[in-house]
Amino acid sequence: GENVEQHPSTLSVQEGDSAVIKCTYSDSASNYFPWYKQELGKRPQLIIDIRSNVGEKKDQRIAVTLNKTAKHFSLHITETQPEDSAVYFCAATLNNDMRFGAGTRLTVKP
Amino acid sequence: DAEITQSPRHKITETGRQVTLACHQTWNHNNMFWYRQDLGHGLRLIHYSYGVQDTNKGEVSDGYSVSRSNTEDLPLTLESAASSQTSVYFCASSERGVTGELFFGEGSRLTVL
Repeated sequence: GENVEQHPSTLSVQEGDSAVIKCTYSDSASNYFPWYKQELGKRPQLIIDIRSNVGEKKDQRIAVTLNKTAKHFSLHITETQPEDSAVYFCAATLNNDMRFGAGTRLTVKP
Repeated sequence: DAEITQSPRHKITETGRQVTLACHQTWNHNNMFWYRQDLGHGLRLIHYSYGVQDTNKGEVSDGYSVSRSNTEDLPLTLESAASSQTSVYFCASSERGVTGELFFGEGSRLTVL
């Protein structure tokens, strides 16, 4: 099956700075790459996703980039705010199998 | 508003007991999933269902079973609970399977002593 690795496991930034989380996947046939945000004690929620026929997608302060050749995709958060503090999970889907990364705990310091 | 709910939210049980976690969704989604969340492992798929009477094994299905008798419910059963099954369990549903947004329940924290 698909294998997804996510880095870093923890990330601390100053409010207003940018944050970047990277994921790599193993199977070049994977075609759907969502990112989920999980606040402490809450359920995961989709924040952005990208499909394999697109290289980049933006939604206000967040963006995702996909490099199919290198088999990696990244989440970019600009102008970070304290409410961005959470655990972020990437995932990759191959056929009917979605695999999640281990998560990145982002802390935004005021 | 449509929602997905889990019960119980917290449960403590003993090794060897049977445990059932309930999941109920009002999205009218055909696709439902059970995941477990453990530190350092992210979310791992236990079982999933693409419709009534359909069930499939996921990445970590040993020791778990599910049944799908209607669209709204996908209960997860631990036949004989083990300490390794101490975890937080999330149910999810989606309109497009795993190629679209998953809507997660609030989670059920299970402790097996």
